[in-house]
Amino acid sequence: GENVEQHPSTLSVQEGDSAVIKCTYSDSASNYFPWYKQELGKRPQLIIDIRSNVGEKKDQRIAVTLNKTAKHFSLHITETQPEDSAVYFCAAFVQGGSEKLVFGKGMKLTVNP
Amino acid sequence: DAGVTQSPTHLIKTRGQHVTLRCSPISGHKSVSWYQQVLGQGPQFIFQYYEKEERGRGNFPDRFSARQFPNYSSELNVNALLLGDSALYLCASSNRVNNEQFFGPGTRLTVL
Repeated sequence: GENVEQHPSTLSVQEGDSAVIKCTYSDSASNYFPWYKQELGKRPQLIIDIRSNVGEKKDQRIAVTLNKTAKHFSLHITETQPEDSAVYFCAAFVQGGSEKLVFGKGMKLTVNP
Repeated sequence: DAGVTQSPTHLIKTRGQHVTLRCSPISGHKSVSWYQQVLGQGPQFIFQYYEKEERGRGNFPDRFSARQFPNYSSELNVNALLLGDSALYLCASSNRVNNEQFFGPGTRLTVL
């Protein structure tokens, strides 16, 4: 069935360092890959997304890359700040019988001042 | 312009009871999906509704059911609650044009 693997599960960096989160997906028909940030006790917030016709997308300190052949996609955060501390989820949009997001297990990012 | 709203915010039930959770999508969005997020895990898909019809169901038992109303709001019902149903239940709305899904604040369900 559909599956999204995400790693690492936790990451601790110093303020100003970069952070990278990597995901792989199983359904080759997936064409939309959003990333969500979830702070403790709050809803997942969409921070950036990428579609299958694009290999890379950047928004200020955040960038995403997609390799459809390898079924890999990654999130890069540069110049990390303490407020970047949260759990980050990657997801793949699956269509067919239903339209749904299949999520990775999440990565807890801690940015130390 | 209001985002996705859910009620109640928190709920405490005991095993065997029944619960109803409610969701109102973003104005103009006709698709509502429900997800269950157990502590420490990513959200898991439960249902998708579009134009008042069920369009998809995840791997959840028949104790879980849902419906969508003419105004596109939705209810998730869970019968015969188990301890393992304790989770954050998230509703997401979409306009189905660009696949973006926007989440509501969730309902935190605790089953004792």
